[in-house]
Amino acid sequence: DQQVKQNSPSLSVQEGRISILNCDYTNSMFDYFLWYKKYPAEGPTFLISISSIKDKNEDGRFTVFLNKSAKHLSLHIVPSQPGDSAVYFCAASAPGAGSYQLTFGKGTKLSVIP
Amino acid sequence: DSGVTQTPKHLITATGQRVTLRCSPRSGDLSVYWYQQSLDQGLQFLIQYYNGEERAKGNILERFSAQQFPDLHSELNLSSLELGDSALYFCASTRQGQNTEAFFGQGTRLTVV
Repeated sequence: DQQVKQNSPSLSVQEGRISILNCDYTNSMFDYFLWYKKYPAEGPTFLISISSIKDKNEDGRFTVFLNKSAKHLSLHIVPSQPGDSAVYFCAASAPGAGSYQLTFGKGTKLSVIP
Repeated sequence: DSGVTQTPKHLITATGQRVTLRCSPRSGDLSVYWYQQSLDQGLQFLIQYYNGEERAKGNILERFSAQQFPDLHSELNLSSLELGDSALYFCASTRQGQNTEAFFGQGTRLTVV
């Protein structure tokens, strides 16, 4: 049972336009959500996070939106740049026993076309 | 550079063999997490150690085990290897006591032939 779902395996966007990556979750105990970016042959790199007490968090070109009632979050990248081309993973954690293990989606491959 | 170091980067071994993957967390991080990424899959949580003690277990097979040493580096031991164990294995570390981002190493690509 996949608790974190990224239903779009891939996304192509023109340089300068907005990229919107989506993520759905099923576990209502999740209270912290993160986006990671991964280039080939590298480990995931943290991008941005959001706590369940917020509905929006912004960091430069990256904004994450959280809709708790819909159990949905999205990552907006504006403007998109060719260097943003990578696989993006949505992840979530639930409180418990001092462990912050992450549950990941399968990822969305973003291609930004110059 | 995340500050998390994993060795080796690549490992090729035969079925039935045993291997050890090593991870050094970021300076000051007490928690180490191990994740497995198989083909076309997201990262799957295997196990967490905090300051030398096992803290949480995920989908880790009985053939796999881990430990964290007094200097906080961790090792993941995979035994009786099968073809299906071929995957990327990532280690991550976090500061304990707060819900915050995990920093990942570059991973070890294990190929079982």
